[in-house]
Amino acid sequence: DGGITQSPKYLFRKEGQNVTLSCEQNLNHDAMYWYRQDPGQGLRLIYYSQIVNDFQKGDIAEGYSVSREKKESFPLTVTSAQKNPTAFYLCASSKQGQETQYFGPGTRLLVL
Amino acid sequence: GQNIDQPTEMTATEGAIVQINCTYQTSGFNGLFWYQQHAGEAPTFLSYNVLDGLEEKGRFSSFLSRSKGYSYLLLKELQMKDSASYLCAVRAFTGGGNKLTFGTGTQLKVEL
Repeated sequence: DGGITQSPKYLFRKEGQNVTLSCEQNLNHDAMYWYRQDPGQGLRLIYYSQIVNDFQKGDIAEGYSVSREKKESFPLTVTSAQKNPTAFYLCASSKQGQETQYFGPGTRLLVL
Repeated sequence: GQNIDQPTEMTATEGAIVQINCTYQTSGFNGLFWYQQHAGEAPTFLSYNVLDGLEEKGRFSSFLSRSKGYSYLLLKELQMKDSASYLCAVRAFTGGGNKLTFGTGTQLKVEL
């Protein structure tokens, strides 16, 4: 089956800890994206990547980092610098930057 | 920047028709998307408009007027499973490429 997978489904972060959220796709899509969703707010773009080994900051990149070493994978690290990390994190991909984005199932991050 | 407005909540009756409106202000408009999102799940793609007019897909139709900065999603023969949040998203071309901006979503409740 082709699709986008995210793991884990739930993730707990302790104070001062970095955590990494996984996003993998086997759709052969070039572009990948990370969004954050908070209650009552729209999805906000954190980072995006249009090709391997290249990525750009979105609207709320502070406190986050990404890498794009493989076409299939776009992991997101939530660093200790992100003071309000509790949210629903969604990864998406599209064939090219201008095409429809398809979403993974999401990871819910909670702070202990 | 971009501004996207859609109603926060709507209620409709099973079997009826409902229209969810979305207005936007943006430069570099390059398409409008509608997504459906059930609670705790990922958004799923419903429709895409880039030219003026109506796009029909089964029980769902989407309309766009670029001159008015206006779109609507029309749901016919409502079913209980249509209870979800409906997200309007506008794609615009910026200096760094195409960017998708989401509205805050319209929570639709379908009642018996």
